Amino acid sequence: DAKTTQPPSMDCAEGRAANLPCNHSTISGNEYVYWYRQIHSQGPQYIIHGLKNNETNEMASLIITEDRKSSTLILPHATLRDTAVYYCIVRVAGSGNTGKLIFGQGTTLQVKP
Amino acid sequence: GAGVSQSPRYKVTKRGQDVALRCDPISGHVSLYWYRQALGQGPEFLTYFNYEAQQDKSGLPNDRFSAERPEGSISTLTIQRTEQRDSAMYRCASSFNLAGGRDTQYFGPGTRLTVL
Repeated sequence: DAKTTQPPSMDCAEGRAANLPCNHSTISGNEYVYWYRQIHSQGPQYIIHGLKNNETNEMASLIITEDRKSSTLILPHATLRDTAVYYCIVRVAGSGNTGKLIFGQGTTLQVKP
Repeated sequence: GAGVSQSPRYKVTKRGQDVALRCDPISGHVSLYWYRQALGQGPEFLTYFNYEAQQDKSGLPNDRFSAERPEGSISTLTIQRTEQRDSAMYRCASSFNLAGGRDTQYFGPGTRLTVL
C-alpha cells in the first residue's frame, strides 16, 4: 500500500472550514483514499473514502486531484467536537485483499473557539 | 445496534503471564481485524480474519502472539509470556468485507494492557 504524508498539526476556528491535506504520490490505480479520525482515546472512526471522483457525505467532503497524488478532506463547519487526529490512508480494496489499514502519524486538528 | 465490543477494557498483568483479549464484532460482519496502538501513535495492524480463517498474520510481532476466531464470530488475541514492551491499547475492528472500496471498518473501544 502506498504511503501518505500529512502535516502533523493544524488549527481551525470554530465554524470555519477545516481543510486537511494529504500527499500520496505513489498511489496505484486500484488504491482508494480513506480518511479516519480518532477523538481522544476512542477507536478510529470512518469519515469518507474515494477512488478518483470527489465525494461528499454528511460528515465531510473529499477532494482528490486529477493525478490522484494528493487529496484534501474538508470539514465544512468545524466544531469543537471535531478536534481529533485525522488519518489519511490509501489501500487496495476489493475481495481477496487483506483490507488492513496502515495508519501513519496523522494530522492533529485543534478546533478553537 | 450494538457496535464492536472488547473485554476486558483494562488489563494489568505481571511480566511472564499469559493474557487473552476478547473481541465481539458487529453481528454479520465477515472480517475481523486486530490492531495495536502505542501512546501517541496510530494503530498498527496485527492480524485479520475472514469468517474463521486467519487470512493475514503478518503484523503479529513474534510467536508469543496468536489469534483465533473458531466460529467466525468472537475472536481472542492471546499473548503468552507477556513482556513490558507488550503494553499498549489493543483494538479490534470488524467489517462486512464489501468489494469495490466500500469496506468500512468499525472499531471497538479497545483493551488497555499494562504489563508490570
